[in-house]
Amino acid sequence: GQQLNQSPQSMFIQEGEDVSMNCTSSSIFNTWLWYKQDPGEGPVLLIALYKAGELTSNGRLTAQFGITRKDSFLNISASIPSDVGIYFCAQGAQKLVFGQGTRLTINP
Amino acid sequence: DAMVIQNPRYQVTQFGKPVTLSCSQTLNHNVMYWYQQKSSQAPKLLFHYYDKDFNNEADTPDNFQSRRPNTSFCFLDIRSPGLGDAAMYLCATSRVGTGSEKLFFGSGTQLSVL
Repeated sequence: GQQLNQSPQSMFIQEGEDVSMNCTSSSIFNTWLWYKQDPGEGPVLLIALYKAGELTSNGRLTAQFGITRKDSFLNISASIPSDVGIYFCAQGAQKLVFGQGTRLTINP
Repeated sequence: DAMVIQNPRYQVTQFGKPVTLSCSQTLNHNVMYWYQQKSSQAPKLLFHYYDKDFNNEADTPDNFQSRRPNTSFCFLDIRSPGLGDAAMYLCATSRVGTGSEKLFFGSGTQLSVL
């Protein structure tokens, strides 16, 4: 079945630093989604990407759909304490498969 | 606001005692999903309803069942919960057929099994 490899698994950064995480897929689909999950809550959609090469921003977040269609990255600029959480990439048609997540911790 | 609502937020049950988790949506989406998420892991799809059509994942245990009586509501039934079924259960919805497979999640139900 489809597998998503997300890295890094965890990040420990200082407030104000930029963050970069990525995801690679064993299959090609037409959508890449990035979600953030706070403790005890459901995932919240951050960015959706629909075609190869697409670069989309949402505030301090930027995500790109890789040209090969098998990878995507998410960048967070100038991190703040509320960015703490787990970030998941996801892909699929009709039903989503999730990456293992990147746990972001920020030291003030 | 249109949303996905899960009740209860926290559920405690006894080993082997049937439990039902509920989900409702005001988004009028045609697909509803149930995911299981264990600590520090990714959400894992259990099954989904495409309108009234039930789609079970191959590795979902028979212990897990689901009902969707109408567009707005979907239930997860765990017939005989075991200790290994303790997890966060996430309901999600999407409108498939528009070219967008974005899923919208509820806040989840954290299930504890004693």
